Amino acid sequence: DSGVTQTPKHLITATGQRVTLRCSPRSGDLSVYWYQQSLDQGLQFLIQYYNGEERAKGNILERFSAQQFPDLHSELNLSSLELGDSALYFCASSGLSGGTGELFFGEGSRLTVL
Amino acid sequence: AQSVAQPEDQVNVAEGNPLTVKCTYSVSGNPYLFWYVQYPNRGLQFLLKYITGDNLVKGSYGFEAEFNKSQTSFHLKKPSALVSDSALYFCAVRDPNRDDKIIFGKGTRLHILP
Repeated sequence: DSGVTQTPKHLITATGQRVTLRCSPRSGDLSVYWYQQSLDQGLQFLIQYYNGEERAKGNILERFSAQQFPDLHSELNLSSLELGDSALYFCASSGLSGGTGELFFGEGSRLTVL
Repeated sequence: AQSVAQPEDQVNVAEGNPLTVKCTYSVSGNPYLFWYVQYPNRGLQFLLKYITGDNLVKGSYGFEAEFNKSQTSFHLKKPSALVSDSALYFCAVRDPNRDDKIIFGKGTRLHILP
């Protein structure tokens, strides 16, 4: 058990809909990363927050947004969903600023868009 | 921008033989390098990291990796493979001169044959 909790574990929805994925980092970790894993694209970096502030951004679509709340949990919002958004979405946390520490991953949220 | 390449989609090794999983990277300065392992339907687990110092890094489960700056490589190795090592392995890199972004390779599936 990594200590990182992601909900929901599975989600099935229709095209055009909006979903929210939630992540609770390990106790004490200030940094949260979001990744998208698909078969053809591997593990794609989406966005990173540190203590509530956005620190780094990857190729995150404009339809996607995220935030980190004062209690350090994070949410990834996916809107106007398309079939291609079907993937496994991972959250990871780290205790060290600046990315020198290892990431601790949650079990992922599997999104299926029909 | 930083990038990481894992040139082999799959590596097959007989149990008891040494294994190598290859990784090359591209960053503007000195990299932070990581290896992670993913078992089916699970999140990624940290194996080892190179930040600075000795080029040979030892990690979990008997794995080690060698940082080679001239070849921009960080290959994962193990002297004697176990069937239980069969999994998906990811190399990751961070360019500390840029931001906190940690980029992952596409992964290499390791099959250890009994």
